[in-house]
Amino acid sequence: GESVGLHLPTLSVQEGDNSIINCAYSNSASDYFIWYKQESGKGPQFIIDIRSNMDKRQGQRVTVLLNKTVKHLSLQIAATQPGDSAVYFCAENEGYSTLTFGKGTMLLVSP
Amino acid sequence: GAVVSQHPSRVICKSGTSVKIECRSLDFQATTMFWYRQFPKQSLMLMATSNEGSKATYEQGVEKDKFLINHASLTLSTLTVTSAHPEDSSFYICSAMDSTNEQYFGPGTRLTVT
Repeated sequence: GESVGLHLPTLSVQEGDNSIINCAYSNSASDYFIWYKQESGKGPQFIIDIRSNMDKRQGQRVTVLLNKTVKHLSLQIAATQPGDSAVYFCAENEGYSTLTFGKGTMLLVSP
Repeated sequence: GAVVSQHPSRVICKSGTSVKIECRSLDFQATTMFWYRQFPKQSLMLMATSNEGSKATYEQGVEKDKFLINHASLTLSTLTVTSAHPEDSSFYICSAMDSTNEQYFGPGTRLTVT
C-alpha cells in the first residue's frame, strides 16, 4: 500500500469552481477503488467507487476517473461548495481484501 | 442505509488505565469488522481485522496484547486499549462489512491519554 505522509496536501478553490483531487495507488492488482470524504472529527463518508473494468464513473456532482496504466485515480467535484471542504481519501482494494487508504488531500472552499 | 455506531465518541483516561471502545452495526450483521487508527493530518491505518467468533488478525507492528479485540456477536466488536499511554492518543475508527462486502465506517472515537 501507499506510505502515510505527515503532511496533508491542500487544494484551495473558490466556491463554484471545479475541483480535481488526485491519488496515486501502488498495487497494480487492486480492482476496486473508493473515494471517501472525512470532515473534522468524523469517520470517512463514502462518495463514489469504481471497479477496475471501468475508467470513468459519474455521480451527483462527482466523477471518478481511473487510469490503470499509470495507477492513477482522480475525483472531480463540479461547482464546489463550502460544504465540500473536508479531507478526501482514496482507498484501494484487491479482491475483497482489506482497504488501503491513500495519504489524503484537504479541500478548502472559499465562499 | 447501513449505520455503524461507536461508543464512546470521546474518552479521556489516565496513563496506565485501560479503555474499551465499542463498534456496533445497527441495521445489518457484520461477520467482519475492522479497526483503524488515525493520527492528526494522517491517513487511516488498519490495525486489525475482527472476525466474529474467531481471533482477530493484527497488522504488522500492532501489539495484540495491547489492543485487545473481541467480536462476540455479529453486531458488536470491541477494542480495548490496555495500559494506555499518551502515545496511544489518537482517533480510532471502526468499519463493518456487510454481506455484499461493502464497508461502512463508524463516526470514530477520540482517545486522549493524560
